[in-house]
Amino acid sequence: GAGVSQSPRYKVAKRGQDVALRCDPISGHVSLFWYQQALGQGPEFLTYFQNEAQLDKSGLPSDRFFAERPEGSVSTLKIQRTQQEDSAVYLCASSLSLSGRDTGELFFGEGSRLTVL
Amino acid sequence: AQSVAQPEDQVNVAEGNPLTVKCTYSVSGNPYLFWYVQYPNRGLQFLLKYITGDNLVKGSYGFEAEFNKSQTSFHLKKPSALVSDSALYFCAVRDGGNQFYFGTGTSLTVIP
Repeated sequence: GAGVSQSPRYKVAKRGQDVALRCDPISGHVSLFWYQQALGQGPEFLTYFQNEAQLDKSGLPSDRFFAERPEGSVSTLKIQRTQQEDSAVYLCASSLSLSGRDTGELFFGEGSRLTVL
Repeated sequence: AQSVAQPEDQVNVAEGNPLTVKCTYSVSGNPYLFWYVQYPNRGLQFLLKYITGDNLVKGSYGFEAEFNKSQTSFHLKKPSALVSDSALYFCAVRDGGNQFYFGTGTSLTVIP
């Protein structure tokens, strides 16, 4: 597609529910990132994929958070047993490549706003 | 550790006046520096980047930024502000690895 697409745009979950957030990156983009943006804050890194390989998941806040990109294109961020502190905007970004000296500016989706009640 | 600081939460400027949004960074090695803009309920949009070369880089919508290695700064500037420039601005640094580190953002308000 023309840009990074995320769905749903808004999600309200009851505490304890599982949620799944989808990201459809720009076609051909090798690198895919997930970020968490709390209200009034900058994006915080969650995880990074290069193609289907999850190369860095050091930002995932707990083992309730899980991300996958099985075919190297669409990615899903899953949050199990949601807690109120999970309420945030989850941003997906893609980049052509981060290999070598590629500058790799990120192209962001509009985000999925998660509210946990 | 890599980090970015945006010392001003809020910047107000009159329409037509020059604007500056400040950013300082801390990174080991050569930095890749970026500015992004975020409009309400939208994702971040790329404005400009510094990788190497000329310290003054020009980007979208008339914005420019100056890389200053001695002061470890990368301030965003525009000669004449527009009301439509009102938004949230984020500075980011990449250290050559996979991670981008974002500042906490500066809210710019251009007053008509």
